[in-house]
Amino acid sequence: QSVLTQPPSVSATPGQKVTISCSGSTSNIGNNYVSWYQQLPGTAPKLLIYDNNKRPSGIPDRFSGSKSGTSATLGIIGLQTGDEADYYCGTWDSSLSAGMVFGGGTKLTVL
Amino acid sequence: QVQLVESGGGVVQPGGSLRLSCAASGFTFSNYGIHWVRQAPGKGLEWVSFIRYDGNKYYADSVKGRFTISRDTSKNTLYLQMNSLRAEDTAVYYCAKDGDGYNDIDYWGQGTLVTVSS
Repeated sequence: QSVLTQPPSVSATPGQKVTISCSGSTSNIGNNYVSWYQQLPGTAPKLLIYDNNKRPSGIPDRFSGSKSGTSATLGIIGLQTGDEADYYCGTWDSSLSAGMVFGGGTKLTVL
Repeated sequence: QVQLVESGGGVVQPGGSLRLSCAASGFTFSNYGIHWVRQAPGKGLEWVSFIRYDGNKYYADSVKGRFTISRDTSKNTLYLQMNSLRAEDTAVYYCAKDGDGYNDIDYWGQGTLVTVSS
């Protein structure tokens, strides 16, 4: 059971928009910045969004992030078949067992 | 460019030990924290351990008391000593560099597979 909750799967057609939610608590998302990762099949994860809504160099502006309270959202517009991947949210958890926590992952299918 | 290269994975019996290494290059190793994150076959990401730039160490409850993270800044190398291994420790282990933001990981290695089986 992951500390952060994501939907197991989402799907959309090319060109459409999709959002992926990530729900946590005050000990993690509520008081810490959120990052998002894309993992293409058979590869290591890749940073997509950091500090809730910032994109690293090279990440297209089709990807966006937001945070409100104890939840965060990843948005992808203009979907492409190459976006088909697993997406994970992550943040720091400041509870007694301090450490990084991830969501369970969301499989994006581009139909 | 930043490179993280893990090694040391393999097959080990339950109760056994293994030491993973992660050779880092392309950045000032002593200025950044480094994480170990694992992924069991067909499963999601699980954070394992983190050594901060100042040497402070953090562990997931699932490995606390069994795994030890360390680094050698003279060799730009991170280690994960894994003792009392269990079947549920079977996973690809990634070393991953702490990013410039808050709570993010900006570079990941290619991973090394650890299989705990008799």
